[in-house]
Amino acid sequence: NAGVTQTPKFRVLKTGQSMTLLCAQDMNHEYMYWYRQDPGMGLRLIHYSVGEGTTAKGEVPDGYNVSRLKKQNFLLGLESAAPSQTSVYFCASRAGQVYDSNQPQHFGDGTRLSIL
Amino acid sequence: GDSVTQMEGPVTLSEEAFLTINCTYTATGYPSLFWYVQYPGEGLQLLLKATKADDKGSNKGFEATYRKETTSFHLEKGSVQVSDSAVYFCALRNGGGAGNMLTFGGGTRLMVKP
Repeated sequence: NAGVTQTPKFRVLKTGQSMTLLCAQDMNHEYMYWYRQDPGMGLRLIHYSVGEGTTAKGEVPDGYNVSRLKKQNFLLGLESAAPSQTSVYFCASRAGQVYDSNQPQHFGDGTRLSIL
Repeated sequence: GDSVTQMEGPVTLSEEAFLTINCTYTATGYPSLFWYVQYPGEGLQLLLKATKADDKGSNKGFEATYRKETTSFHLEKGSVQVSDSAVYFCALRNGGGAGNMLTFGGGTRLMVKP
């Protein structure tokens, strides 16, 4: 059972470099999310999507862009990486509201990103 | 805005000890409440949930009761095991707003020693 798959699992970047994190889900979920996890701060929502072709800003969107060209994929981009973006990034997905408003979010295993 | 506050960790217990991890929240309306668990190197997994006041969520020996009068959702387990060592996150979801977003607490690390 694949569920939510994130690639890569680890990455080290230099300040100013760009990269894209990929999230793929095979559960036909409508909603997808990108979070960052920092010590003592829990998970903070960066961007989310409520369906293919749609994206919206979360709590901490600055410095990130996202795209949802296909329903199963949600990409997170860093155009010019900064040390403050060193974090663990988690992707999640859940079924749309039409099914059950209390469906849980399913999380990937995370991407550990270090910006030097 | 909505917020979730958890007791700071780490919490260190011996095997078979009783566990309580406190969680309180601030939210308008009637949020749904969740506990997620994160084992080392993995993503978050839903542990239990409660969707209305006085509901009790339970799973794998863990329990939490939705107390609206005290705006709390404390996690308890009668006898912890080494395998329960993980980080526990309390979270809420308020209404069906765009994306059904979760608001997380800061997490509490639990370490259980044999």
